[in-house]
Amino acid sequence: DADVTQTPRNRITKTGKRIMLECSQTKGHDRMYWYRQDPGLGLRLIYYSFDVKDINKGEISDGYSVSRQAQAKFSLSLESAIPNQTALYFCATSDPSDTQYFGPGTRLTVL
Amino acid sequence: GNSVTQMEGPVTLSEEAFLTINCTYTATGYPSLFWYVQYPGEGLQLLLKATKADDKGSNKGFEATYRKETTSFHLEKGSVQVSDSAVYFCALSDFLGTSYGKLTFGQGTILTVHP
Repeated sequence: DADVTQTPRNRITKTGKRIMLECSQTKGHDRMYWYRQDPGLGLRLIYYSFDVKDINKGEISDGYSVSRQAQAKFSLSLESAIPNQTALYFCATSDPSDTQYFGPGTRLTVL
Repeated sequence: GNSVTQMEGPVTLSEEAFLTINCTYTATGYPSLFWYVQYPGEGLQLLLKATKADDKGSNKGFEATYRKETTSFHLEKGSVQVSDSAVYFCALSDFLGTSYGKLTFGQGTILTVHP
């Protein structure tokens, strides 16, 4: 089984809808991250969490929110989706050496 | 702030050719350096890393040496295979200040290897 799982893998939605992307990990890491990937822009950090009680904004947090329900679960929400949030979204965890482990990604399309 | 710059792609090679993907960085502290690879339809996975100056990371025939004097971490492979076709990301982590616990990524380099 994969160490970092994401659901759903693909999602098509309409402008204005609320969307939640879920991430679970079995690696036992405290640190978790959400990124978005756009062509030619690499990965940009949306939010990160160093433990269940610690949530921090990344470089592009506007329009997104997160919830850390447990050490193993970190969800990303788009309260009112807009077309420029169409992207590939990745969840990751990291160990104490800062090596990050990525999920398979969620491809989100906002029409 | 921290930044990572990779050579622009895409890079197209024939099988068994020599590969170099350049990566340079700026950082305020003493970063660890990483190369991640993303195969089609998958998430990123760690390819190799180096945590201090002059360290060499290696894996699957790929190598990169942490050069503090030139602030570089170039990725090399002596003989590429079709299965190496992927997107390669250089990244750094810095244990100081607001960068603590976060990775800064380059924009990625697409590599295509033809038979």
